[in-house]
Amino acid sequence: GAVVSQHPSRVICKSGTSVKIECRSLDFQATTMFWYRQFPKQSLMLMATSNEGSKATYEQGVEKDKFLINHASLTLSTLTVTSAHPEDSSFYICSARAPRTFYNEQFFGPGTRLTVL
Amino acid sequence: SQKIEQNSEALNIQEGKTATLTCNYTNYSPAYLQWYRQDPGRGPVFLLLIRENEKEKRKERLKVTFDTTLKQSLFHITASQPADSATYLCALDSNYQLIWGAGTKLIIKP
Repeated sequence: GAVVSQHPSRVICKSGTSVKIECRSLDFQATTMFWYRQFPKQSLMLMATSNEGSKATYEQGVEKDKFLINHASLTLSTLTVTSAHPEDSSFYICSARAPRTFYNEQFFGPGTRLTVL
Repeated sequence: SQKIEQNSEALNIQEGKTATLTCNYTNYSPAYLQWYRQDPGRGPVFLLLIRENEKEKRKERLKVTFDTTLKQSLFHITASQPADSATYLCALDSNYQLIWGAGTKLIIKP
């Protein structure tokens, strides 16, 4: 149980285009999902917290107009990188909070490697 | 400032030995701390959670300790195997969010 999928696993795009990444909880309902970015050999950096049916909460320094997050259902959250630039190239990972637990145990998707040319 | 520190250099351990990884933190008072495993190009996988009132937690060959006085958690893998090679991340809660260490790369040599 508690499986999270992400799609696509890899994407290469041209500078200026937009890229959408999907995060799905496959066998549980996730009221809260998280989006992280990870650069090589660095720790996970939380970008935003996404609650179903409400606006995402962005971390300081993360541009909400550039990284659009939609959590339309209890099993799906999407991250759209708008007008992507080479500096946006990174490993993007989503996670969902485990259900029926007080603790913030999170289940992660496999990640999406974004390369902006 | 608030910090979480893990061994920044890779840890090389001979197969069969016990690997011990360290997670130190400052200026936090977490209610619990978690350990995750991350393989290259993959998302982290949850391993163990230990609460502030627990000294030790075990799961198969894994053992985690949590010393809130020292502000330190130790993660042990006994009878280590090459398949245990990965990066191990510690994370602690702060305002119901997880704050992450940079991870320690563990290499188990056959």
